[in-house]
Amino acid sequence: EPEVTQTPSHQVTQMGQEVILRCVPISNHLYFYWYRQILGQKVEFLVSFYNNEISEKSEIFDDQFSVERPDGSNFTLKIRSTKLEDSAMYFCASSDILTGVDQPQHFGDGTRLSIL
Amino acid sequence: SQQGEEDPQALSIQEGENATMNCSYKTSINNLQWYRQNSGRGLVHLILIRSNEREKHSGRLRVTLDTSKKSSSLLITASRAADTASYFCVLIIQGAQKLVFGQGTRLTINP
Repeated sequence: EPEVTQTPSHQVTQMGQEVILRCVPISNHLYFYWYRQILGQKVEFLVSFYNNEISEKSEIFDDQFSVERPDGSNFTLKIRSTKLEDSAMYFCASSDILTGVDQPQHFGDGTRLSIL
Repeated sequence: SQQGEEDPQALSIQEGENATMNCSYKTSINNLQWYRQNSGRGLVHLILIRSNEREKHSGRLRVTLDTSKKSSSLLITASRAADTASYFCVLIIQGAQKLVFGQGTRLTINP
């Protein structure tokens, strides 16, 4: 069964550094998402992406965050200047039709981001 | 609020028993989905039930939906140790793209 893959599984970065988290969504999917989960807390929506542009974003997704689909297969989340509070699990998800119409979102196993 | 509230927060049962988790919500929905998260892992979609459906089955899973009471339940029959995970109900509201997760129910299956 096709799956969403995320790399790396664990990223350790110094505060203030830029970090790029990578995701390969399921190949025929058109909608892409990033979520994060701070240790012990709820999974939180960050951003959704369709047709090469952001379609919705949360308050968490401020100017320090950006997303890109640089080619036909990858979907990336960039944090420009990391803060300690960015430490979390970051999950990528994809779906083949707009959520709300019938299809689930398929999640990767996440990237654990640790900011030192 | 666009999130479901799962109840109980934690549930511990013996292997082979049935596990029932409940979800209450306050808004109108298009459909409701249940997801599972194993510790430290990604989320796995389990089942989707539309607002015009009352019950749905998938293997050992049974989901009910009562839109008049704004509640749903997830029943796992003949539980196994591998069912140990957190379970989340996610509301799908018309026009919304994001999934909104609550705290979930932490299910522990004891061998």
